[in-house]
Amino acid sequence: KAGVTQTPRYLIKTRGQQVTLSCSPISGHRSVSWYQQTPGQGLQFLFEYFSETQRNKGNFPGRFSGRQFSNSRSEMNVSTLELGDSALYLCASSYDGANEKLFFGSGTQLSVL
Amino acid sequence: GNSVTQMEGPVTLSEEAFLTINCTYTATGYPSLFWYVQYPGEGLQLLLKATKADDKGSNKGFEATYRKETTSFHLEKGSVQVSDSAVYFCALILNGNTGKLIFGQGTTLQVKP
Repeated sequence: KAGVTQTPRYLIKTRGQQVTLSCSPISGHRSVSWYQQTPGQGLQFLFEYFSETQRNKGNFPGRFSGRQFSNSRSEMNVSTLELGDSALYLCASSYDGANEKLFFGSGTQLSVL
Repeated sequence: GNSVTQMEGPVTLSEEAFLTINCTYTATGYPSLFWYVQYPGEGLQLLLKATKADDKGSNKGFEATYRKETTSFHLEKGSVQVSDSAVYFCALILNGNTGKLIFGQGTTLQVKP
């Protein structure tokens, strides 16, 4: 069974640009969550999607958005990039996102110059 | 608010030494508790979990017991190997808070031959 797949693996952007990251969950998983990992703030929850609906949201500005498609694949978009958005963005999937284990992808390393 | 506190690292041990990484939490309600491990350049892998008080999670020689009275979930291993070198994250998820893991800051473990 294939794991959680995130693309691209690395991304370099400049301030003010926008970026879209992609996540393909494990087959059969309907919940996809996104996290930002930085050395200073650690791992922080961005949002969770289930059946194409955002079901839970963290404390990030509106520049961070996402969506989920009918096949459960998810994308995350960051508009008007800032230097502080440089981070490893991790996607995690689970069957229904409840009190069960989440399976993580390897992440997309975003560098904003 | 809800939070997880881990002992600061790095923790440096010799091979076959006993490992303890302390984790305490603050949470409303009754969370499920997890330990995740992150190897260099990779995403997070679930190491073990416990969903209610006095549950013991175990995997690959690692163990942790959900202690409600002390709000703790300390990770232990009787004999560490060089291959255990990684960053370990303690995390919780609250009932109904789908897909949203709250992580500790992580503890780096280095095991020397």
